[in-house]
Amino acid sequence: TQLLEQSPQFLSIQEGENLTVYCNSSSVFSSLQWYRQEPGEGPVLLVTVVTGGEVKKLKRLTFQFGDARKDSSLHITAAQPGDTGLYLCAGTSTDSWGKLQFGAGTQVVVTP
Amino acid sequence: SQTIHQWPATLVQPVGSPLSLECTVEGTSNPNLYWYRQAAGRGLQLLFYSVGIGQISSEVPQNLSASRPQDRQFILSSKKLLLSDSGFYLCAWSDGGGNIQYFGAGTRLSVL
Repeated sequence: TQLLEQSPQFLSIQEGENLTVYCNSSSVFSSLQWYRQEPGEGPVLLVTVVTGGEVKKLKRLTFQFGDARKDSSLHITAAQPGDTGLYLCAGTSTDSWGKLQFGAGTQVVVTP
Repeated sequence: SQTIHQWPATLVQPVGSPLSLECTVEGTSNPNLYWYRQAAGRGLQLLFYSVGIGQISSEVPQNLSASRPQDRQFILSSKKLLLSDSGFYLCAWSDGGGNIQYFGAGTRLSVL
């Protein structure tokens, strides 16, 4: 079983600050996804990365997949209160087709 | 476009009562279907997944069961609920590739 460890578990920042969330594993993943979840709702897909070293940008969000495809990071620039939520990383590997392994999540709170 | 419906949104049940949560997907055919449970503010634990009608795989031993009577219908059931069955239950679907999953809005189950 591949384990995805997310850090930090909780992050509280002021509006306008930057933040980075990390997702690490000792296993190689064929792809990795980032989701954001708000209270009482299902997770919503933000991005998928599949190539080692890949960097994707989604407005103020930057996602990076590690060269060895074992880790990923999510960086938010100039955070806004609307960025508040639980950020989850999830990965798939070649021997777990169709199944996602989720990290425990990082709770981000952005205060005005 | 594809949509996923999950109901009810909230459910309060006494210990020992039966359970039936329903999930349906529209706009796609032969999806992979998943049931997850999520502890408060934490990651998702895969309970069941299905690659076709009548095909159910269980990931963890538990008091729950799943069924897929139709291509786009997935049901989570229990004959007798336990206190430990309380939680947030999420249904998800993916296409044949299986790596990207789309989630329903979830059901908050409280067993009293």
